[in-house]
Amino acid sequence: GIQVEQSPPDLILQEGANSTLRCNFSDSVNNLQWFHQNPWGQLINLFYIPSGTKQNGRLSATTVATERYSLLYISSSQTTDSGVYFCAVLSGNTPLVFGKGTRLSVIA
Amino acid sequence: GAVVSQHPSRVICKSGTSVKIECRSLDFQATTMFWYRQFPKQSLMLMATSNEGSKATYEQGVEKDKFLINHASLTLSTLTVTSAHPEDSSFYICSARGLVPGLVTDTQYFGPGTRLTVL
Repeated sequence: GIQVEQSPPDLILQEGANSTLRCNFSDSVNNLQWFHQNPWGQLINLFYIPSGTKQNGRLSATTVATERYSLLYISSSQTTDSGVYFCAVLSGNTPLVFGKGTRLSVIA
Repeated sequence: GAVVSQHPSRVICKSGTSVKIECRSLDFQATTMFWYRQFPKQSLMLMATSNEGSKATYEQGVEKDKFLINHASLTLSTLTVTSAHPEDSSFYICSARGLVPGLVTDTQYFGPGTRLTVL
């Protein structure tokens, strides 16, 4: 099946710093999603982004489908951005396959 | 946006008992529902996929007799953990896929999860 790799696995940032999270995938995809899992476990969908670039406030994402990777940018990070960020891909009619996540800690 | 609910959000039970978790799609018909399990500091691992009215398809290594899945309607799926043991303690998350009015893509929506602790 399709493989999804995320990097870095852990990231510690000072409040106000910017960061880039990466997601590589091993095959073509119908869709790609970025999630933020909050401390209570709820998965919050950030972006549906099979290709191109999208922006939502301090967050933006770019997927280069031909090169099989996606990037999530977080600018001016805040402590509330802490949590785990997952990349998940949809290939064919299969369920979403998740990467192992990036655990982000933003310190004041 | 589409909403998926799960009940209960948290359950503590004694070893040997059975626990049922409900998953409902609230404003759309879910053609397919999925059950994931997440251990602490790990990613979500798919347990099974179910379509309404048919038997669930389990992932390799998931015991179908232990994790009973019923997909009775296009808006309801249940996961029953039978004869639970401490190693079944985990965070269980359901997901529903269907066409949501206003959205073009057939996408997956996630419930808030159920934290199961088996003593």
